[in-house]
Amino acid sequence: GENVEQHPSTLSVQEGDSAVIKCTYSDSASNYFPWYKQELGKRPQLIIDIRSNVGEKKDQRIAVTLNKTAKHFSLHITETQPEDSAVYFCAASRDNFNKFYFGSGTKLNVKP
Amino acid sequence: DGGITQSPKYLFRKEGQNVTLSCEQNLNHDAMYWYRQDPGQGLRLIYYSQIVNDFQKGDIAEGYSVSREKKESFPLTVTSAQKNPTAFYLCASARDRVKLEPQHFGDGTRLSIL
Repeated sequence: GENVEQHPSTLSVQEGDSAVIKCTYSDSASNYFPWYKQELGKRPQLIIDIRSNVGEKKDQRIAVTLNKTAKHFSLHITETQPEDSAVYFCAASRDNFNKFYFGSGTKLNVKP
Repeated sequence: DGGITQSPKYLFRKEGQNVTLSCEQNLNHDAMYWYRQDPGQGLRLIYYSQIVNDFQKGDIAEGYSVSREKKESFPLTVTSAQKNPTAFYLCASARDRVKLEPQHFGDGTRLSIL
């Protein structure tokens, strides 16, 4: 089955700096990669996703890049703000197989 | 998402007791999932269902059971065979197993042992 690894497990940045979280996956058939943000005690919420037919997707301060050859994808947050502090999860899935494999999470702390 | 309702928010289990966590969705989603989340860890899949009256084991199904009698409902029973049930349980749903769509999560149920 699929194995998704996520790094780093914790990340501390100064407000205004950029943050990058990386995930690798093992199944070359995976073609859908969502990212979720989970605030303490709350539900994970989708912040951005990417399909394997594109290499990059951007939404305001958030971007995701995908390297299918190397089987890794990354979340980039620019101009970080204290409200970006949360746990971020990556996931991988594929067509006709509605099962998602999650990374272990990255706790992001943005210091004001 | 207001479309997925989990109840109760907090649940306490006594030794040897089975407890059932409720998950209801009004999003008309085909697929539903149960995950377990332990402190500082990611989401581990317990069971999932892609269609009514059908479900599959996830990675940590032992000690748990589910049913999918209605499209809207996917209750999870934590049985007495689950020796370490203390965790945060998340239910999720997704629209279409053919065309990939993101999962939508409920607010979770926090289960503790008395």
